[in-house]
Amino acid sequence: GAGVSQSPSNKVTEKGKDVELRCDPISGHTALYWYRQRLGQGLEFLIYFQGNSAPDKSGLPSDRFSAERTGESVSTLTIQRTQQEDSAVYLCASSLATGGAYEQYFGPGTRLTVT
Amino acid sequence: AQSVTQLGSHVSVSEGALVLLRCNYSSSVPPYLFWYVQYPNQGLQLLLKYTTGATLVKGINGFEAEFKKSETSFHLTKPSAHMSDAAEYFCAVSENRGYDKVIFGPGTSLSVIP
Repeated sequence: GAGVSQSPSNKVTEKGKDVELRCDPISGHTALYWYRQRLGQGLEFLIYFQGNSAPDKSGLPSDRFSAERTGESVSTLTIQRTQQEDSAVYLCASSLATGGAYEQYFGPGTRLTVT
Repeated sequence: AQSVTQLGSHVSVSEGALVLLRCNYSSSVPPYLFWYVQYPNQGLQLLLKYTTGATLVKGINGFEAEFKKSETSFHLTKPSAHMSDAAEYFCAVSENRGYDKVIFGPGTSLSVIP
């Protein structure tokens, strides 16, 4: 079946503009995660969803970042008033259920470049 | 709070040599532990995971890792490196409490020298 998909694959935007990143998880996966991977660095947890609710938003870097998920399906990560330090690859992952033991399946990522 | 450290941001081995990538974690409760691999220009995929039971776990492509509670370690090994093993490897921990945040280490880049 289809894996996790993300769009766009690449996004170049000017500083100060808003961007919206989309994640389509694997069908039936109730848990969804967003991570940020800066160049040459590890994954930085941003937020996760269990169904449509987000129990843990502690990783969001600032109030310019927000995310939502509708219908236990698609999720969007929105970055307002983008800054150059927001440049990174944004990864989405989904898992069948919660509990920590379930494998996370990762999408290919969205490479965001803020000029 | 959970955390993961990976000793060595870059590791180089000769083809056919032992691969050893180190991972140490901190967790206040029994952890779930994972190794993920990221091949060049590809997404992350799970290599192996430890949840409960046998402390030596085997994964794909001949990799294995051993959970050592006393050392809070989960080192990744492979007896004989192949050129195709060149990639970025991430160790990760998730607490065994139904909490869903998985914390990733900073990653180790493995180079295999012919």
